[in-house]
Amino acid sequence: DTAVSQTPKYLVTQMGNDKSIKCEQNLGHDTMYWYKQDSKKFLKIMFSYNNKELIINETVPNRFSPKSPDKAHLNLHINSLELGDSAVYFCASSHRDSSSYEQYFGPGTRLTVT
Amino acid sequence: KQEVTQIPAALSVPEGENLVLNCSFTDSAIYNLQWFRQDPGKGLTSLLLIQSSQREQTSGRLNASLDKSSGRSTLYIAASQPGDSATYLCAVNDYKLSFGAGTTVTVRA
Repeated sequence: DTAVSQTPKYLVTQMGNDKSIKCEQNLGHDTMYWYKQDSKKFLKIMFSYNNKELIINETVPNRFSPKSPDKAHLNLHINSLELGDSAVYFCASSHRDSSSYEQYFGPGTRLTVT
Repeated sequence: KQEVTQIPAALSVPEGENLVLNCSFTDSAIYNLQWFRQDPGKGLTSLLLIQSSQREQTSGRLNASLDKSSGRSTLYIAASQPGDSATYLCAVNDYKLSFGAGTTVTVRA
């Protein structure tokens, strides 16, 4: 009964490839997020969707394209992978209309680009 | 743009000592503030969430305070144990989470 799940947990790929990371939440939340944790362990927001609508799009290369097929899923597709994309990617969710706006995080996907 | 700073960056204490972790932020227009714990190579565990209208929140040995007007929060961990060794992250929520760089805590047995 995992609340926020991500697949795969680990992803090793070569430069130039295209890859996707999937996220699913079973909390009934209406808002989902992608965060990136770089090699210095700093966490930063990338995207957020509310009811399948993109509401946050930070300064991220357009090689990164999020897709939300429904409220419970948010996928991240990365084209033409570069060495600098190596990081841990965390998915999170929250209920935007709740009083707390508390965010719940998935276990992360460690992406290594060689 | 929200800037979140955590001091100190690292802390090493003997078992049993109380821990004090500091977090400051630049924009006080926030919904809430969350404290997370992250173990090496692992995900984020939410420890405490303080709403913008609250002054403090407690859970077991953990107590977090919030002074929104001065842009500060403090996480207190009482009677530290080796199992408390981890990185502690402060995150400010103003419709998205802005994280500090974390405080890495080592509790020596």
